[in-house]
Amino acid sequence: NAGVTQTPKFRVLKTGQSMTLLCAQDMNHEYMYWYRQDPGMGLRLIHYSVGEGTTAKGEVPDGYNVSRLKKQNFLLGLESAAPSQTSVYFCASSYGYGRDTEAFFGQGTRLTVV
Amino acid sequence: AQKITQTQPGMFVQEKEAVTLDCTYDTSDPSYGLFWYKQPSSGEMIFLIYQGSYDQQNATEGRYSLNFQKARKSANLVISASQLGDSAMYFCAMREGTQGAQKLVFGQGTRLTINP
Repeated sequence: NAGVTQTPKFRVLKTGQSMTLLCAQDMNHEYMYWYRQDPGMGLRLIHYSVGEGTTAKGEVPDGYNVSRLKKQNFLLGLESAAPSQTSVYFCASSYGYGRDTEAFFGQGTRLTVV
Repeated sequence: AQKITQTQPGMFVQEKEAVTLDCTYDTSDPSYGLFWYKQPSSGEMIFLIYQGSYDQQNATEGRYSLNFQKARKSANLVISASQLGDSAMYFCAMREGTQGAQKLVFGQGTRLTINP
């Protein structure tokens, strides 16, 4: 049982490069989330989606874009990477409104921007 | 404004003692959910316990219990009989919002160290 899978696990980018992080879940979850975690810090919500075709801004959305074209996938894009975006990125998914169960997390993507 | 506040950056506890990790939250929604997650040094996020805003009783899961005080807006995690393997970061989280606009936000975490 795969759960939530993030691709890639590690990546080094040069300043100004672009990349897309892929999150895939096989649990038929409605909600999906992207977070970033800086050293010694909590998880900060970047963007989230409450269903296929929907996206919304979280706490720290600047510099990121997202898309949810298919229910099982949630993509996070960095158009022009900056050193301040060096972080560990987590994707999570959960059931929708009315089914208040926990969110399941991917293993994280460690991104370094040099 | 901070939605979830964890005021203890670090806690040090002797093995086998009980420990309470503090969490306060801020929301105006009548319906919300509160979660605790554990993050060991390996980095994965492990779900521990959940409390719904309408739940009448405090949640319990094995050695974990949640001390839910709704009027105070606090949801403290209690770990009984701590073990060395409990050493980790612990995060409190809240899901709030109306249908179609719910989001899950986290506190800054507490680093718990269990001493032998």
